[in-house]
Amino acid sequence: GQSLEQPSEVTAVEGAIVQINCTYQTSGFYGLSWYQQHDGGAPTFLSYNALDGLEETGRFSSFLSRSDSYGYLLLQELQMKDSASYFCAVRGDKIIFGKGTRLHILP
Amino acid sequence: NAGVTQTPKFQVLKTGQSMTLQCAQDMNHNSMYWYRQDPGMGLRLIYYSASEGTTDKGEVPNGYNVSRLNKREFSLRLESAAPSQTSVYFCASGVMNTEAFFGQGTRLTVV
Repeated sequence: GQSLEQPSEVTAVEGAIVQINCTYQTSGFYGLSWYQQHDGGAPTFLSYNALDGLEETGRFSSFLSRSDSYGYLLLQELQMKDSASYFCAVRGDKIIFGKGTRLHILP
Repeated sequence: NAGVTQTPKFQVLKTGQSMTLQCAQDMNHNSMYWYRQDPGMGLRLIYYSASEGTTDKGEVPNGYNVSRLNKREFSLRLESAAPSQTSVYFCASGVMNTEAFFGQGTRLTVV
């Protein structure tokens, strides 16, 4: 089967850096994705890692270690608008999402 | 550019009623998905369709049926709604193993 584990909540200060971890188990693996969802909205794609290493897109970076079945999302220079839920998702034979991490940002 | 369009946006059903949630995408994607989202449960896959003419069960398929009408459209049907099916339903489409694009969701309440 497939399963993902990520923290339910994380709190950080505006302007700081925060890391959201994700560990996964899957019978087949093509890649790890990250999505952002604001309250009342739809999930939107942030990043995708198919190979080991770090992918950087502006203030957001995502890392994957296939041997450890582990990845993380790194958010830098946090802004209040980054307050949202963040989901990791794996594609094995289908796309499965984690339960999400609620990011709280303090001024 | 509409992307993924879901209808309706809101719906209230009585227990035992049936309804179909509609989803259409204009991005020429092969894969389409239906998820439900409940508080603290994340997004759980109900059914998916890897290509036109194929459908497969996801994590929580019981109580639902789907139809991949053509490449653009993927509908989700509740034959006999139950209060446990109160949820927010999202349709998504995607290209192979990378990005999935989501519709704006359908907020369904079963009373």
